[in-house]
Amino acid sequence: NAGVTQTPKFQVLKTGQSMTLQCAQDMNHNSMYWYRQDPGMGLRLIYYSASEGTTDKGEVPNGYNVSRLNKREFSLRLESAAPSQTSVYFCASSAYRDNQPQHFGDGTRLSIL
Amino acid sequence: AQKITQTQPGMFVQEKEAVTLDCTYDTSDQSYGLFWYKQPSSGEMIFLIYQGSYDEQNATEGRYSLNFQKARKSANLVISASQLGDSAMYFCAMRGMKTSYDKVIFGPGTSLSVIP
Repeated sequence: NAGVTQTPKFQVLKTGQSMTLQCAQDMNHNSMYWYRQDPGMGLRLIYYSASEGTTDKGEVPNGYNVSRLNKREFSLRLESAAPSQTSVYFCASSAYRDNQPQHFGDGTRLSIL
Repeated sequence: AQKITQTQPGMFVQEKEAVTLDCTYDTSDQSYGLFWYKQPSSGEMIFLIYQGSYDEQNATEGRYSLNFQKARKSANLVISASQLGDSAMYFCAMRGMKTSYDKVIFGPGTSLSVIP
């Protein structure tokens, strides 16, 4: 079972370059999320999508855009990468029920020079 | 606005002893869910336990239990009989179910080290 698949796993960018992180889930989940994880700060929510066709800002949306392409796919775009966006990015999905936990991808380690 | 606070950046516990990891939260929603996840050094996120805001009993899952005090807005995780494999980061998370529907935020985490 694939679960949540993120690509790429690693990426190095130069300041100002753009990039799209891809995420796909095969569990028929309605909700999808993008987080960034930095040391000492836990996972901070960037954007989320509670259903196909909707997206909402999280705690740290500045510098990012998202697209819920269909029910399976939720992409995160950095239009002009900055060193402050160096982080580990996690995609997650969950079913449309209160007590359902999130399922996470393996993460993308992104370094911006 | 929603907020999760975990005031213990790092904790140590002796093997086979019990340990409590603190979590306090703030939300304007009357209905919400609380989750705990474990993240070992390998990086994957592992779901441990769930507590709904309207659940009258504290949740339990094997060696994990929640000390849920709704009036104090706290949901502390208790791990009984600690094992070396419990050494990891532990995150408390909250899902909104009304005004912030399906928004899930995390606390900064607690690093637990189990000592042999």
